[in-house]
Order: sequence, then C-alpha cells, then structure tokens
Amino acid sequence: GEDVEQSLFLSVREGDSSVINCTYTDSSSTYLYWYKQEPGAGLQLLTYIFSNMDMKQDQRLTVLLNKKDKHLSLRIADTQTGDSAIYFCADNNAGNMLTFGGGTRLMVKP
Amino acid sequence: EAQVTQNPRYLITVTGKKLTVTCSQNMNHEYMSWYRQDPGLGLRQIYYSMNVEVTDKGDVPEGYKVSRKEKRNFPLILESPSPNQTSLYFCASRRLANYGYTFGSGTRLTVV
Repeated sequence: GEDVEQSLFLSVREGDSSVINCTYTDSSSTYLYWYKQEPGAGLQLLTYIFSNMDMKQDQRLTVLLNKKDKHLSLRIADTQTGDSAIYFCADNNAGNMLTFGGGTRLMVKP
Repeated sequence: EAQVTQNPRYLITVTGKKLTVTCSQNMNHEYMSWYRQDPGLGLRQIYYSMNVEVTDKGDVPEGYKVSRKEKRNFPLILESPSPNQTSLYFCASRRLANYGYTFGSGTRLTVV
C-alpha cells in the first residue's frame, strides 16, 4: 500500500519560520493536504494543493510540492505559540483513499 | 451548521461487548470514511463508502463492520471489541467532486 512519511517532531522559536516535510509514494495522487490537530480536538484542514501544482501560498502558509521526488512541505512564516499542534500531511489518490502521515508535533518556544 | 457528528465522544467498554459508534453528516456528501488514530501512526483508514449501499475496506478493516443504508449515516460497528481496538476514531465525509474532507470531533474508545 501507499506510504506517507513525516518527521516526528519540530521545535522552533516564536517568530521564526517552520518547515514541516512529508514524503509519499503514490504516483496517482490527486490532492495533497495539510491538517492541523490541536490537543483533544479533531482535524482542521489548513490547506491543500492539486498534484499538478508546484506551490500554493495562503497568508502565512506556503506549500511546496516536488512531484518528481514525491516531496511535500509546509512552511509557516512568523510562527506563533498558537501554531503549536500536530501537523498531518495526507494524500488523496485516484481511488479516493486518503492516506495520512504519522504527524509532526510542532513546538513553538516563546 | 454543516458538520459531521459522531457519538459518543468517549466510550469505555469491556472485551467482547458489541458496540456501535454513530456518524452522521448534514451536507449531502456522497463519500464517508472511518479512521483510527494511534500515536506515531497517524490516521489509518478502516472503511469508506462512495455512496449508499457501497462500502469498501480501507487499510485496517479487521474487527470492524460498517453499513451505509442512508446517505447521511455511516455507523462503525465492533462486533467483539478487543483491547487492540482502543484508539481515537474519526469519521469524515466529502463530496466526490470536491477536495474538502470534513472531520467529526472524534470518539475515544477504550476496551478493557
């Protein structure tokens, strides 16, 4: 089956940029997503990118997609303490199955 | 308000006692899905449904059943729960022609 991999943990200082990376194996991806999960809460869709796009910017969020290397990244500019959460990348393939990475816990230090 | 509603939010049960977690959406979405979330493993898909009376296995279907008799409801059934099914469960839905998945708030299940 498909595999989606993320690093487990990232720590940054408030005001710095955060970059969370994700790799996937499926060649039939249609959309790729970034979700945020705060403690005790469900999943909040942050942003998504079509598989035929290279980049998408949405306020403080920038998504980069390297389809050749099957690498997706999420950059959060001017990271705030409220950005502390677990971030999941997810891949929607042509068969409409959504596969999640294991999640990256972002810790923002004041 | 457009939403996916799961019940219950928390459940503690004993091994072997059948249980059902309900999921309902009010957005007329065709696609519904169940996931389980375990530490370090992210979310893994249990079952999904593309429309009424159409269900398919996800990555980890063993020990679970689902049904889709109506478009809005997609219950998850554990006929004989075991401790390894202790997890956080999420239901999600979307329109087939749309990118956006809407997730429920989650059901934390503990099987003792």
